[in-house]
Amino acid sequence: KQEVTQIPAALSVPEGENLVLNCSFTDSAIYNLQWFRQDPGKGLTSLLLIQSSQREQTSGRLNASLDKSSGRSTLYIAASQPGDSATYLCAVSPRAGNMLTFGGGTRLMVKP
Amino acid sequence: DTAVSQTPKYLVTQMGNDKSIKCEQNLGHDTMYWYKQDSKKFLKIMFSYNNKELIINETVPNRFSPKSPDKAHLNLHINSLELGDSAVYFCASSRSGGAETQYFGPGTRLLVL
Repeated sequence: KQEVTQIPAALSVPEGENLVLNCSFTDSAIYNLQWFRQDPGKGLTSLLLIQSSQREQTSGRLNASLDKSSGRSTLYIAASQPGDSATYLCAVSPRAGNMLTFGGGTRLMVKP
Repeated sequence: DTAVSQTPKYLVTQMGNDKSIKCEQNLGHDTMYWYKQDSKKFLKIMFSYNNKELIINETVPNRFSPKSPDKAHLNLHINSLELGDSAVYFCASSRSGGAETQYFGPGTRLLVL
């Protein structure tokens, strides 16, 4: 059974800092890994999707890496801004089908 | 022009009632999903559905049933509601049943009294 863990559960940083969010998964037989953002009381917004054959994906100030063999992914946020405050969720997709398994999320607060 | 929409946004009901939550996507996607987010904010898949296949998470009670009148809609029907069903339910869709980006609705907050 796939299990996804995110560390830390919560993070508070001053504006401008570069930061790293961690995600680990127990079963390396995945098709892809996705990072989502969830704002309070809202749905999820997809940030980045990394295929199992890829090592990283970049979008603006966000960079996600994937080390499938070790079951780890990191989300790097450069020059953090207060608007980045949200919960960040990683999720893995199994080999068959697209039923995502989510981690518990990292609650990020960027202080002005 | 919302991509994935859900109704109602909030639902408060009594234990034992039967209720439905509606989901619509205007993205032309083939596959839709239902997720449950509990009070601890853990998101768990409930169903994956396209016109060919329904995949059910084995932990979902059979009181929950997805109903799809057409490709753009996947409604969630819940029989005999229990206190533990209180959660936020999210609908999502993707282009196909492959491993692709999923687009999520805003969620329906269900409270069972």
